[in-house]
Amino acid sequence: GEDVEQSLFLSVREGDSSVINCTYTDSSSTYLYWYKQEPGAGLQLLTYIFSNMDMKQDQRLTVLLNKKDKHLSLRIADTQTGDSAIYFCAVRSNDYKLSFGAGTTVTVRA
Amino acid sequence: GAVVSQHPSRVICKSGTSVKIECRSLDFQATTMFWYRQFPKQSLMLMATSNEGSKATYEQGVEKDKFLINHASLTLSTLTVTSAHPEDSSFYICSVILAGVETQYFGPGTRLLVL
Repeated sequence: GEDVEQSLFLSVREGDSSVINCTYTDSSSTYLYWYKQEPGAGLQLLTYIFSNMDMKQDQRLTVLLNKKDKHLSLRIADTQTGDSAIYFCAVRSNDYKLSFGAGTTVTVRA
Repeated sequence: GAVVSQHPSRVICKSGTSVKIECRSLDFQATTMFWYRQFPKQSLMLMATSNEGSKATYEQGVEKDKFLINHASLTLSTLTVTSAHPEDSSFYICSVILAGVETQYFGPGTRLLVL
């Protein structure tokens, strides 16, 4: 199946930008997603990108996709304390199944 | 607002009992729902695909007789953990796909603790 990898931890100062990276193996992946999970809660869809796009911006969030290198990133501008959470990269196969990375724990320090 | 609900949010049961978890799509019909489990500090692992009106499709290594899935209507799928054991303690999350929308929406999850 699909292998999706993420770095496990990221510490960032409030007001700085956060960049979370993700790599995947299946070049036929159609949609790629970023989800946010706060403690004890389900997953909140943050944004997604179609595989024929290079970039997508939505307010403070910017997604970059390098399809050649199978690399996806999420940039959060002006990171706030409320952004502290676990962020999951997920890749969708043709049958709608999602493969998730291990999650990156983002800690925002004052 | 919420797209998917789950009930209960938390459940504690004794070893050997069965527990039913409900996943509901709110205000729309979902022919396909997914069930995941998540161990502490780990990622989500897909357990099965729940199809309305037909049998669920289980991922490799998931016991279908242990985790019974019923998708009896277009808005409700249930996961029953039969003869639960402490190792079944986990966070169970469902998701739905909206027709024509290329995203999966997740429920808030159900925390199961088996004593």
